[in-house]
Amino acid sequence: ETGVTQSPTHLIKTRGQQVTLRCSSQSGHNTVSWYQQALGQGPQFIFQYYREEENGRGNFPPRFSGLQFPNYSSELNVNALELDDSALYLCASSLDLGSRNEQFFGPGTRLTVL
Amino acid sequence: AQRVTQPEKLLSVFKGAPVELKCNYSYSGSPELFWYVQYSRQRLQLLLRHISRESIKGFTADLNKGETSFHLKKPFAQEEDSAMYYCALKGQGGSEKLVFGKGTKLTVNP
Repeated sequence: ETGVTQSPTHLIKTRGQQVTLRCSSQSGHNTVSWYQQALGQGPQFIFQYYREEENGRGNFPPRFSGLQFPNYSSELNVNALELDDSALYLCASSLDLGSRNEQFFGPGTRLTVL
Repeated sequence: AQRVTQPEKLLSVFKGAPVELKCNYSYSGSPELFWYVQYSRQRLQLLLRHISRESIKGFTADLNKGETSFHLKKPFAQEEDSAMYYCALKGQGGSEKLVFGKGTKLTVNP
């Protein structure tokens, strides 16, 4: 069984640019959540996708957008990057909705905005 | 508003000593609480959840609704317990979002 994978591992962008981060869910999982973890902070929920539909969103501006594909892999897109977007971005997949289904986290993508 | 507070950023104990990592929460309704752990150079992983009422790696956590706390305890700390620990609460609204605290870095000294 393959765990959650994320790409790229690291990337550096400049203010105003756009970025796409990718996540492959664990095999058989149809739900994916994205989190932002700033330095010294706990992960903060961005949004969740269930069977290709958004199923909840945290307090992030519209320039943070996402997609989930039929194979349940997912993308996080951030437009008009700001310095404060520098963080570790985590995705987590779960078998289905329902809190009894554990969220399995990926290793994260470290984004630096200069 | 849903909020999780972990008052200690750093906690250092000696091997064999008891350890308690504090977690307080703010939530209206019946909460679901979790502890996640991140060992050095590893990904975030679930340690335990209150609904399971189980002991994992010697750790236990009891939900105290009166004190709105979910402290993580272990009677005898081991060096391999050194890690970053996050308390998390499952939010409302239909999504499965987790609200995390800022984390406590536990160091178990030999």
